[in-house]
Amino acid sequence: GESVGLHLPTLSVQEGDNSIINCAYSNSASDYFIWYKQESGKGPQFIIDIRSNMDKRQGQRVTVLLNKTVKHLSLQIAATQPGDSAVYFCAGRDAGNMLTFGGGTRLMVKP
Amino acid sequence: DAGVIQSPRHEVTEMGQEVTLRCKPISGHNSLFWYRQTMMRGLELLIYFNNNVPIDDSGMPEDRFSAKMPNASFSTLKIQPSEPRDSAVYFCASSLGGGLRNYGYTFGSGTRLTVV
Repeated sequence: GESVGLHLPTLSVQEGDNSIINCAYSNSASDYFIWYKQESGKGPQFIIDIRSNMDKRQGQRVTVLLNKTVKHLSLQIAATQPGDSAVYFCAGRDAGNMLTFGGGTRLMVKP
Repeated sequence: DAGVIQSPRHEVTEMGQEVTLRCKPISGHNSLFWYRQTMMRGLELLIYFNNNVPIDDSGMPEDRFSAKMPNASFSTLKIQPSEPRDSAVYFCASSLGGGLRNYGYTFGSGTRLTVV
């Protein structure tokens, strides 16, 4: 489900390692999911999306996995770079064109 | 395309003053969203327009907040009177589609509002 709280979960990884950011959603009717990246002082930016009839989609250095059985979404970033440091949000589309956003995970990349 | 354009980027105002935030969506997008982001509550949807018509304003915190979309290329979010607890970053986002189309939202850079 969504979490809206004072403290963002934080994932700290070494530069060059792979990162896995997880997200749980609550609405089994969600048919489309997106991962957004938000850097400091900027708006969220689209990274990758996946439809509910898929379980995996790959982009450049990023892969999204969808497990509808347990309502879980993950974002994998290969060879994490300092520029990947940001807050990552998952979002699920419910009725119509409405996206519901998760609370976000902060990724910190150590050089 | 220049993306979603918001103005101003920063706004500092005194409690009780009226604040107007502006948004120009991406040309051709038919949906527009206003979000508020705070550390405490994350991203909150305030209001959603489709084809310039407000569809869902259940996220608008109270009557002090109002939003308009007089045409497809412009929207405003107004707070009157403003209060310190309104301090946040306000994002506008636009989107094309819905239904079977899979389009995400494109966000603007946000307006950081500080009410003192």
